Amino acid sequence: AQKVTQAQTEISVVEKEDVTLDCVYETRDTTYYLFWYKQPPSGELVFLIRRNSFDEQNEISGRYSWNFQKSTSSFNFTITASQVVDSAVYFCALFDSWGKLQFGAGTQVVVTP
Amino acid sequence: DAGVIQSPRHEVTEMGQEVTLRCKPISGHDYLFWYRQTMMRGLELLIYFNNNVPIDDSGMPEDRFSAKMPNASFSTLKIQPSEPRDSAVYFCASSLGSAGVSEQYFGPGTRLTVT
Repeated sequence: AQKVTQAQTEISVVEKEDVTLDCVYETRDTTYYLFWYKQPPSGELVFLIRRNSFDEQNEISGRYSWNFQKSTSSFNFTITASQVVDSAVYFCALFDSWGKLQFGAGTQVVVTP
Repeated sequence: DAGVIQSPRHEVTEMGQEVTLRCKPISGHDYLFWYRQTMMRGLELLIYFNNNVPIDDSGMPEDRFSAKMPNASFSTLKIQPSEPRDSAVYFCASSLGSAGVSEQYFGPGTRLTVT
């Protein structure tokens, strides 16, 4: 069975603090893809990153960074020096062999000034 | 460049009424997805199309739900008759290639309230 677990329901930080969002996945596929999406208060879902199972290189994009570790089936997301605009729900997702994108429950990030 | 367009953005209807949600995918995209988001169940895939053909509708909750894609630039999700438990935000998304190849772009969603 395919499964995505985001154990943190909500994380509250003060602006400029770093915040790390955990994502643990389960799959029997050897080839798979992992995603992160952001859902700000306005409601739309915004794509952040896609990573395939053969590429374990960590990635940095501005204040965002991702740590992919196949050994622990984790694909964690860190926001460095958080800002109020980072307040949103963040979803981790797994693309499975059935052609479906399976989402985790999401983590609400609240950044206060 | 226009993104995925959904209409209406908000819909309030009474139980038993027919509801039709509309989606225009990004031009050139060959995959189209319908999702539903609720507090209880999170984001669920209802159905997806490839080149206008339904590929997997196993997520459609019951026979009251139906989806069509008559051409590459338009899709509908219909609920008939609607029930209060159908209240949710419905998202349409499109991609060029499957999710393993390309990211899905989401529309702004339709917030449906069934009273």
